Amino acid sequence: EVQVLESGGGLVQPGGSLRLSCEGTGFTFSSYAMSWVRQAPGKGLDWVSSMAGSGGSTYHADSVKGRFTISRDNSKNTLYLQMNSLRAEDTAVYYCAREVGVQLGWYCDLWGRGTLVTVSS
Amino acid sequence: DIQMTQSPSTLSASVGDRVTITCRASQNINTWLAWYQQKPGKAPELLIYDASSLESGVPSRFSGRGSGTEFTLTISSLQPDDFATYYCQLYNSYPMYTFGQGTKLEIK
Repeated sequence: EVQVLESGGGLVQPGGSLRLSCEGTGFTFSSYAMSWVRQAPGKGLDWVSSMAGSGGSTYHADSVKGRFTISRDNSKNTLYLQMNSLRAEDTAVYYCAREVGVQLGWYCDLWGRGTLVTVSS
Repeated sequence: DIQMTQSPSTLSASVGDRVTITCRASQNINTWLAWYQQKPGKAPELLIYDASSLESGVPSRFSGRGSGTEFTLTISSLQPDDFATYYCQLYNSYPMYTFGQGTKLEIK
């Protein structure tokens, strides 16, 4: 089955760190750019970070630049999001999504179920 | 930066109605627009790409139109399963990944 599955969410204190993972199955993982999109409770969709299929190009939203780092291990079919210096406003469901191209900047045709990150003391 | 403005923010309609949601771009984006449907507690699902191309498996009652700066998503005859929130998204505008604010489609 073609799918992506996130893991690693949880409760973390302000200033803390967390690493999210996203495993892709049923498709050639390295042939697709991958993204993280988040949704704060009751709010809309907010693009966070993206990485090209080869791992060369990356994108981070201004709101997370310098704090979050996207990476991938194509040998493990896995995308990561290292989140440092977490703030209350980072509280959201984080979705992993597959873009339709190998390079950045496309729409997403496959989404995971999401993993909840809660930043609170 | 290109801004995407969706309207209305909330839409009340009945089963069988024809409804249209609009997304406007602050600059010409050709047809680089996608539409997603999101149900409560679920991930978004792709409906339309390239402004008017229907994603495989999506019912034909969904259609998209537009180019340049104005785009529409139309549901020709609302079904109970269609009550959800809809988002437009600009793409092919690296490094811009811009979603509209969303339109919540409610049962009247």
